[in-house]
Amino acid sequence: RKEVEQDPGPFNVPEGATVAFNCTYSNSASQSFFWYRQDCRKEPKLLMSVYSSGNEDGRFTAQLNRASQYISLLIRDSKLSDSATYLCVVRYTGNQFYFGTGTSLTVIP
Amino acid sequence: ETGVTQTPRHLVMGMTNKKSLKCEQHLGHNAMYWYKQSAKKPLELMFVYNFKEQTENNSVPSRFSPECPNSSHLFLHLHTLQPEDSALYLCASSQVPRKLDYGYTFGSGTRLTVV
Repeated sequence: RKEVEQDPGPFNVPEGATVAFNCTYSNSASQSFFWYRQDCRKEPKLLMSVYSSGNEDGRFTAQLNRASQYISLLIRDSKLSDSATYLCVVRYTGNQFYFGTGTSLTVIP
Repeated sequence: ETGVTQTPRHLVMGMTNKKSLKCEQHLGHNAMYWYKQSAKKPLELMFVYNFKEQTENNSVPSRFSPECPNSSHLFLHLHTLQPEDSALYLCASSQVPRKLDYGYTFGSGTRLTVV
């Protein structure tokens, strides 16, 4: 059983569209949650942390549902530059982070 | 410009070669990590160092040997690798413990090809 599961996609959406990704995690003791963005042949970069109350950063909104053990990322008004792979990341106790396989997004002109 | 620098960016090596990957972090962090990223798989944690001490070794074959001489530098020594070891090797650093969880900062990775 995977620790973190994501739909790999690909998601192909037109510019200006709203797109949402979900991620589920298996360990209810998970403590911290993140979305990372990884461009082709580059390293992952932190997009945003995910807080229990939900949080927003510009066009990006992250939600956490601890009861159902899932995390979501909503991107509004998609830009071409949003094309990337989005990684769901979960931390249990200690320093162990678990990564999903990533969801591929392509924004089409 | 990332605060974590990895060299080399690309490496092609034969199965009988010995090589080393280098990672340096300029962020004042006290924990460093090696991850392996293969196609279609999630990032796999290989080694964790906290304050220069290795705290985790996730059943990594002995042909991978880490070294952490200080809290800013991390090496991954490679010898007698197999073609299936070809992957992107990512170094990361973080600060522990931390009040607010900021996750990792990754280096740009070394793309390794074993021939």
